[in-house]
Amino acid sequence: EAQVTQNPRYLITVTGKKLTVTCSQNMNHEYMSWYRQDPGLGLRQIYYSMNVEVTDKGDVPEGYKVSRKEKRNFPLILESPSPNQTSLYFCASSFPGGGGTQYFGPGTRLLVL
Amino acid sequence: GESVGLHLPTLSVQEGDNSIINCAYSNSASDYFIWYKQESGKGPQFIIDIRSNMDKRQGQRVTVLLNKTVKHLSLQIAATQPGDSAVYFCAESNAGGTSYGKLTFGQGTILTVHP
Repeated sequence: EAQVTQNPRYLITVTGKKLTVTCSQNMNHEYMSWYRQDPGLGLRQIYYSMNVEVTDKGDVPEGYKVSRKEKRNFPLILESPSPNQTSLYFCASSFPGGGGTQYFGPGTRLLVL
Repeated sequence: GESVGLHLPTLSVQEGDNSIINCAYSNSASDYFIWYKQESGKGPQFIIDIRSNMDKRQGQRVTVLLNKTVKHLSLQIAATQPGDSAVYFCAESNAGGTSYGKLTFGQGTILTVHP
């Protein structure tokens, strides 16, 4: 089944404790992206990647890191999480050549205490 | 379900009615627009897209209208069904007519369909 998977789905952590949210897709998509979703703010893009080793900042990259060492994986790293990073996070991937059919993962709900 | 719809515009319709959801976009350089549907507890799902060289595009039960003069986008859903109840987001991009690159989402509209 074609899908985007994220792990963990739920995470409670404390300020300053490094964490990684994994994202994996099995559709051989070149494009992958991370978003955060907050009440009343819609989805805001954190980082995106056009291909392996090619990443760029979205609208809200501060406090986040990403890497794209393999086509299928695009982990989101919070080196020193803070309470304002409490949010719902979505990973997405898309076919090459454009098109709006971004496939979204199920989401990861993060609470930073 | 997920609390992603606080303070969002809402639209309530009766089953069978047509729905129109509106979106004002911000960047006059945007050349690609997408509508997404998000059901409670799920990630956004692609509905329909349109490029800036078009002003109308139709899909199955859905139509997207683009007015570049006033930077306005609308989604029309014909014969709305209870399964259409969700939060609807518009998104814009200026990546040469694709959704690659930076994608900016609107705040969303909650659609509730009453049987």
